[in-house]
Amino acid sequence: EVQLVESGGGLVQSGGSLRLSCAASGFTFSSFEMNWVRQAPGKGLEWVSYISGGGDTIYYADSVKGRFTISRDNAKASLYLQMNSLRAEDTAVYYCVRVASQLLQNWGQGTLVTVSS
Amino acid sequence: DIQMTQSPSTLSASVGDRVTITCRASQSISSWLAWYQQKPGKAPKLLIYKASSLESGVPSRFSGSGSGTEFTLTISSLQPDDFATYYCQQYSTFWTFGQGTKVDIK
Repeated sequence: EVQLVESGGGLVQSGGSLRLSCAASGFTFSSFEMNWVRQAPGKGLEWVSYISGGGDTIYYADSVKGRFTISRDNAKASLYLQMNSLRAEDTAVYYCVRVASQLLQNWGQGTLVTVSS
Repeated sequence: DIQMTQSPSTLSASVGDRVTITCRASQSISSWLAWYQQKPGKAPKLLIYKASSLESGVPSRFSGSGSGTEFTLTISSLQPDDFATYYCQQYSTFWTFGQGTKVDIK
């Protein structure tokens, strides 16, 4: 069974940093592309960042480009999101998502990031 | 960027009703469209992919149709477990979601 478990969320001041982690199990992690998707409280879903299986191709949404860095450690079956220069509008639940044939097929339970101003 | 627009934003219905949600893309996305169901406090769940293909384990009362820029999600007979928020999402170029349609009890 595919399992994705996010951690690292919490309360941080505006301008601060936070690093999210996602522990994957139940599949060959290195064979799958991964995404981060976020959802602000009471709002819709927003794609944040993509990383290929080998980590050599990376994309970001314009809203986080230059502030967030996605990475992965295939030996540890883990995905990361380093978030710097955080803003109030980054407050959201952040989901780790496995990509299969471009589909956002498997989602973690999410971790809440709250940025206080 | 491709924009996705869903309608309606909220839909009130009764158990047994036939429910239709519409999604429009700002440019052609062929059939690269998915539908997700989300319940409060939970992660989204994939229902439909490639506009009309049913994800494994999803009840057959859910169906999708459309191509290009116009798409629909239909629930043939609404069940108590179906009261939730539904999102369309394009995956032709990166990933963009519609704003969601909340299906609540009439």
